[in-house]
Amino acid sequence: RKEVEQDPGPFNVPEGATVAFNCTYSNSASQSFFWYRQDCRKEPKLLMSVYSSGNEDGRFTAQLNRASQYISLLIRDSKLSDSATYLCASLFSGGYNKLIFGAGTRLAVHP
Amino acid sequence: DTAVSQTPKYLVTQMGNDKSIKCEQNLGHDTMYWYKQDSKKFLKIMFSYNNKELIINETVPNRFSPKSPDKAHLNLHINSLELGDSAVYFCASSLSYEQYFGPGTRLTVT
Repeated sequence: RKEVEQDPGPFNVPEGATVAFNCTYSNSASQSFFWYRQDCRKEPKLLMSVYSSGNEDGRFTAQLNRASQYISLLIRDSKLSDSATYLCASLFSGGYNKLIFGAGTRLAVHP
Repeated sequence: DTAVSQTPKYLVTQMGNDKSIKCEQNLGHDTMYWYKQDSKKFLKIMFSYNNKELIINETVPNRFSPKSPDKAHLNLHINSLELGDSAVYFCASSLSYEQYFGPGTRLTVT
């Protein structure tokens, strides 16, 4: 089993829709999680950090469920510009700030 | 100003050659990383330096040798390039847990 797993998608949604992605992690000792956004042929850009139960930033909400070992990302009122791949990452609990990434979930927002 | 920069952006070379990629960050971060993203888009850490000291060394062929002359710079030298080394190599830096990535170097080995 991979340490961090994501549904690769693609998720095809119309503008204005609400969409949610889940990311599961296998290491129950992991404490910190991150969502990155990656556009085609670009670098990953940090979208949100999740250190406790959740985080919210505008249209984006991340939630952590430790009991079930997953993190979710909710995007409300989707925009065309939200189309990208969303990478989930777990901070390796053994120290040294090692991030373990999932393979990403592709989102395509259409008019 | 670009916070984490890498050179070159593209690198096309033949099998067996030796090449280097350079990374610089002006964020004042203490820790820098090299990641490899393969054709399946899977992003995997290779190395990490904290204040010029190697702290993460994943299972990477010893043809790959990182070097950090100071905490703002991290280079990656690759010897005897192979077809399987073709990928995008990303540099990143961090002060605490949040990592910030450079634009990537797209390496193609022919």
